[in-house]
Amino acid sequence: QKEVEQDPGPLSVPEGAIVSLNCTYSNSAFQYFMWYRQYSRKGPELLMYTYSSGNKEDGRFTAQVDKSSKYISLFIRDSQPSDSATYLCAMSDSGGSNYKLTFGKGTLLTVNP
Amino acid sequence: EAQVTQNPRYLITVTGKKLTVTCSQNMNHEYMSWYRQDPGLGLRQIYYSMNVEVTDKGDVPEGYKVSRKEKRNFPLILESPSPNQTSLYFCASSTGLTDEQFFGPGTRLTVL
Repeated sequence: QKEVEQDPGPLSVPEGAIVSLNCTYSNSAFQYFMWYRQYSRKGPELLMYTYSSGNKEDGRFTAQVDKSSKYISLFIRDSQPSDSATYLCAMSDSGGSNYKLTFGKGTLLTVNP
Repeated sequence: EAQVTQNPRYLITVTGKKLTVTCSQNMNHEYMSWYRQDPGLGLRQIYYSMNVEVTDKGDVPEGYKVSRKEKRNFPLILESPSPNQTSLYFCASSTGLTDEQFFGPGTRLTVL
């Protein structure tokens, strides 16, 4: 089982839809959870950052972490064409000698006007 | 402007010809990392550095070398490139591992 699983999509939705993006993971030591957004031909940019379990909201974006289920989600409300991008989940435990960030493969999202 | 720069942005080379991709950040970050991004495989870490003269292997280090002689620079060296190293490469930096990583614009490398 891969450490981080993410459905690659592609996902196509109409403008205004609610989008749900998800990742599952196997390493119970992960404590730091991030969502990056990557536009075509650009480097990834941090979108949301969550420590441990719970929800975090920022405008139209909500990140959820359920450590008991090893499952994280990103919700986008009132999706806009400008949200069209690849969304990557990333996580880390920052413990011991494992100083690395593990990324999901990314989900390609297209929001159609 | 706070940024991570990479050069070159695009490179086509031939098998076996040594090359270096430079990475520089102006944010005084301690942590720097190199990733490669391939279709269907996502972002995979090649090497990382926690500070000057401190580097370690990531998930896919074979065929690559790095050095960290200055805090701001973290070059990626391919001593003898092969076609399977054709990829999109990203450099990233952050204050620490669990902090936001700032990515460079990417270097698209083709090895013929």
